Amino acid sequence: ILNVEQSPQSLHVQEGDSTNFTCSFPSSNFYALHWYRWETAKSPEALFVMTLNGDEKKKGRISATLNTKEGYSYLYIKGSQPEDSATYLCAFKGSGNTPLVFGKGTRLSVIA
Amino acid sequence: DSGVTQTPKHLITATGQRVTLRCSPRSGDLSVYWYQQSLDQGLQFLIQYYNGEERAKGNILERFSAQQFPDLHSELNLSSLELGDSALYFCASSVQSSGNTIYFGEGSWLTVV
Repeated sequence: ILNVEQSPQSLHVQEGDSTNFTCSFPSSNFYALHWYRWETAKSPEALFVMTLNGDEKKKGRISATLNTKEGYSYLYIKGSQPEDSATYLCAFKGSGNTPLVFGKGTRLSVIA
Repeated sequence: DSGVTQTPKHLITATGQRVTLRCSPRSGDLSVYWYQQSLDQGLQFLIQYYNGEERAKGNILERFSAQQFPDLHSELNLSSLELGDSALYFCASSVQSSGNTIYFGEGSWLTVV
């Protein structure tokens, strides 16, 4: 059974704090690692798709890194704002006809 | 708006009944995915179609079936419904089958009473 683990499960930070969360995935048969942002009452929206070991992606105050050899990815949010409050999902795609497997997410609450 | 359309948005039905959830992918996307989001569970992969053909299958119950039609829309059929089938069912689509960003619809809330 393929396991994608995210930690922490939830996180409360003050506005302006920087934060990061972890996604752990199998280090074999890697094809891609996705990050999605899921706001309450909306559908998940893609943040990044990373495919190469050592990849770093950035979108505004949000960035992500990837280590495929050890099977982890970090998502960083710099200077958190209340509008960053959401559940952040990572998803692992293995090689071949395998599905995109999601972790349970990290729920971030940013307090003004 | 992701461009993925799901209907109905909400559905309440009784145990033992059958329902069909419909999904229209983004224009140009050939791949359609179905996921189930239950309480305290992550997004559970059900099934994927690519250009009308089944491409990958997850832990989809035998009571559930899906298909993708020539116009690329997809339907998820849930039969002999049980209380535990109450969940948010997401459809998503992508251009190809491997590694691309997938775009989610707004989901169909199914409540079985």
